Amino acid sequence: DVKVTQSSRYLVKRTGEKVFLECVQDMDHENMFWYRQDPGLGLRLIYFSYDVKMKEKGDIPEGYSVSREKKERFSLILESASTNQTSMYLCASSLGAIEQYFGPGTRLTVT
Amino acid sequence: DQQVKQNSPSLSVQEGRISILNCDYTNSMFDYFLWYKKYPAEGPTFLISISSIKDKNEDGRFTVFLNKSAKHLSLHIVPSQPGDSAVYFCAASLSNYGQNFVFGPGTRLSVLP
Repeated sequence: DVKVTQSSRYLVKRTGEKVFLECVQDMDHENMFWYRQDPGLGLRLIYFSYDVKMKEKGDIPEGYSVSREKKERFSLILESASTNQTSMYLCASSLGAIEQYFGPGTRLTVT
Repeated sequence: DQQVKQNSPSLSVQEGRISILNCDYTNSMFDYFLWYKKYPAEGPTFLISISSIKDKNEDGRFTVFLNKSAKHLSLHIVPSQPGDSAVYFCAASLSNYGQNFVFGPGTRLSVLP
């Protein structure tokens, strides 16, 4: 079974802090994705990566950056957290096929 | 404006009856559609998909119907079971690669015993 793990289930940070959200997949998938999920808006793509050191902007990249130094790990970085970044963050991976496998999510609260 | 809409935020159905979840999209170029199911405190899991060359795809109790002219798809669950209670997301893509997924806001299904 594909396993996608995220470093934290719940995280509380202060405005202005730098925040790292880590995602690891164990199935050698090429593609990795970061989404945020907000009520009434569904899942919105922040960034994705098709290979190590490659990244592409999704629909809402502002305020975020990513890092993919190893194939299995994809990090989402909030350089200076703001209250409007309070959300559920979901990481996913896929092997070129259409199905994406999701991690359990990190609920981030910025106060 | 949302390109993928799920106009019912919630739906309650009696166990054993049919659940019908609806999804509408605005971009006629979308050619691949998926449904994901999400339980609380878990990530979404893939349920079923359909490409635009078909109008129906079936997998056990789950059937997805696509009406391209109406830009509408629906997920039918028959018979509904309490374990089906979850949030269901519809997603559409311009390709079968995944980077262009657009998700709907989700419908919370409650199956009552």
